[in-house]
Order: sequence, then structure tokens, then C-alpha cells
Amino acid sequence: QQQVKQSPQSLIVQKGGISIINCAYENTAFDYFPWYQQFPGKGPALLIAIRPDVSEKKEGRFTISFNKSAKQFSLHIMDSQPGDSATYFCAASSGGSYIPTFGRGTSLIVHP
Amino acid sequence: NAGVMQNPRHLVRRRGQEARLRCSPMKGHSHVYWYRQLPEEGLKFMVYLQKENIIDESGMPKERFSAEFPKEGPSILRIQQVVRGDSAAYFCASSSGQGLYNEQFFGPGTRLTVL
Repeated sequence: QQQVKQSPQSLIVQKGGISIINCAYENTAFDYFPWYQQFPGKGPALLIAIRPDVSEKKEGRFTISFNKSAKQFSLHIMDSQPGDSATYFCAASSGGSYIPTFGRGTSLIVHP
Repeated sequence: NAGVMQNPRHLVRRRGQEARLRCSPMKGHSHVYWYRQLPEEGLKFMVYLQKENIIDESGMPKERFSAEFPKEGPSILRIQQVVRGDSAAYFCASSSGQGLYNEQFFGPGTRLTVL
């Protein structure tokens, strides 16, 4: 049973465009939602995270939008750059658990 | 401050051989986690260890896989009698164990290929 569903599986965007990746979760106990960025041959690195007490969090060109009632959250990359080309994973965890549940990942390609 | 270190980065084994993957956590971290990543799939939790203790091995296959984190030295993930289905990227993460959400920092991974 996949507890965190991520879409799309792959995404191609032109430089300067907006990249949007969506995730949905089932477990209402989840209260922490991080996004990880992974470059080829590297390990995942924490990019940005949100808690459900806010509906949006922005860090530079990266924004997380959170909809608690719909149990959905998304990552928006504004002004996408070729250097953003990577695989992005959403995840969810709860304060009582130490193991995040990961989505399957989205491979993002930003064309110059 | 060095991050999480894993070695080897690439490992090739023939079916039936043993694979040993090593992980040194970040300085000051005493919690280690192992994950497996198959192509086009997310990270699957395998095992969570603290020094000399296995805390949660609910994601570990029941046979051939074992993990340890000795008092001295790196954490070791050991796969005995490897099969082709074991080919994957294995990531180690570490954390301080503090804070409500216990942020994990990942190593670069070991890519295991079983011939």
C-alpha cells in the first residue's frame, strides 16, 4: 500500500517555466512533509519542508503548497533552471515516527 | 564537517557472493538508517540502528540481510548469497536523534550490481 502518491513520474519544462509536482497522502497522522532533491549519482538532500499549520512555505524559487483537507501538497519551482534538473521526492512523517514515507519520485528535466 | 560517508560507491558481485556496504555517519550523529532504492522507485526503509542496537528492522528481508552498528567503526549492511534482485542503490542516512522530526542526512549511496 503506497501511502504517499507522487505525480507526475517525469516532467519536462523549458528554462524560466514553472515546475509543479504533486503529492497526496492517506495517513492523517502525518504532520511533517519534506521534499528531497537528488542529482544523478548522489544521495537525496533535504530541499524544503512544511508542517500543516501553514498552507504555504517559500524558500527562494521553491514553494510548497499544502491542502490539509484534501491531504495534498505540492512543490512549485519558479523560473526553473537547467541546474534544477534532478529527481524530486516528496515524503511524509509524523512526530512520533522517525522514518519518513517517500513518494516514488519525479524526474525533472529543464531544457535551456 | 564531513557528511555521511559510504563505501564502496560501486560494488559488483556475482550471484552467491557476499556484499558488505559501509556507512560512517555525520560527526555527532549516533542514529543510522539504511534504505534501498530501485530504479524509478522511491526510497524503501530497511533498518534503523543506534550504536550497538537495532531499533527497527521491519523493512529488512528476513533472510540473507543483516546490519550492525558497532561501538567503534562504521555501520555495516551485509547481504549474503546475493541474487540479481539485490541489484539496487543502497543509501545510508544519519541523524542526531534530536528534534521532533529527526532530520536525516543522506550519504551518496552504494550501487550494487549482481552479475
